[in-house]
Amino acid sequence: QKEVEQDPGPLSVPEGAIVSLNCTYSNSAFQYFMWYRQYSRKGPELLMYTYSSGNKEDGRFTAQVDKSSKYISLFIRDSQPSDSATYLCAMSPGHNSGGSNYKLTFGKGTLLTVNP
Amino acid sequence: DADVTQTPRNRITKTGKRIMLECSQTKGHDRMYWYRQDPGLGLRLIYYSFDVKDINKGEISDGYSVSRQAQAKFSLSLESAIPNQTALYFCATSDPGQGFTDTQYFGPGTRLTVL
Repeated sequence: QKEVEQDPGPLSVPEGAIVSLNCTYSNSAFQYFMWYRQYSRKGPELLMYTYSSGNKEDGRFTAQVDKSSKYISLFIRDSQPSDSATYLCAMSPGHNSGGSNYKLTFGKGTLLTVNP
Repeated sequence: DADVTQTPRNRITKTGKRIMLECSQTKGHDRMYWYRQDPGLGLRLIYYSFDVKDINKGEISDGYSVSRQAQAKFSLSLESAIPNQTALYFCATSDPGQGFTDTQYFGPGTRLTVL
């Protein structure tokens, strides 16, 4: 079983739709969970991060972490064509776990297209 | 100006050639990383450096070497390029002092094709 699993898609939605992107993981040491957005021919950029379980909201974006299920989600409300990109989840152990917090483990990314 | 820059942005080379990819950053971060990205395989760590004198292998270092010339510069070399090193290469930096974890900031990437 891979440490981080992410459905590669592609996912195509109409403008205004609610998008749900997900990752599952197997390493219970992961404490920090991030979502990166990567536009075509660009480097990944950090979109959101959360620590441990819970929700975090930033504008149209909401990140959820369920550590009991080892499952994280990114929701995009009122999706726009400018949201079309590949979304990568990433996670790492925290200081308290004794793990090396440098090491990010990435999902393979989900390609999202929002059609006008 | 971009905080993390990579040169060249695109490179086509032939099997057996030596290639150097360069990364510079103005973020003042001590930690720097090299990744490659392949379709269906995601991002994989090649090498990382926590400071000028601390360089470590990542999960796929075979066939690659690195040099940390200064805090701001980290180069990746392919001593004898082979076709399966055709990929998108990213440099990243991070600052462990940011508190919650080691957020990594990526450069724009170098698209390398080995014929």
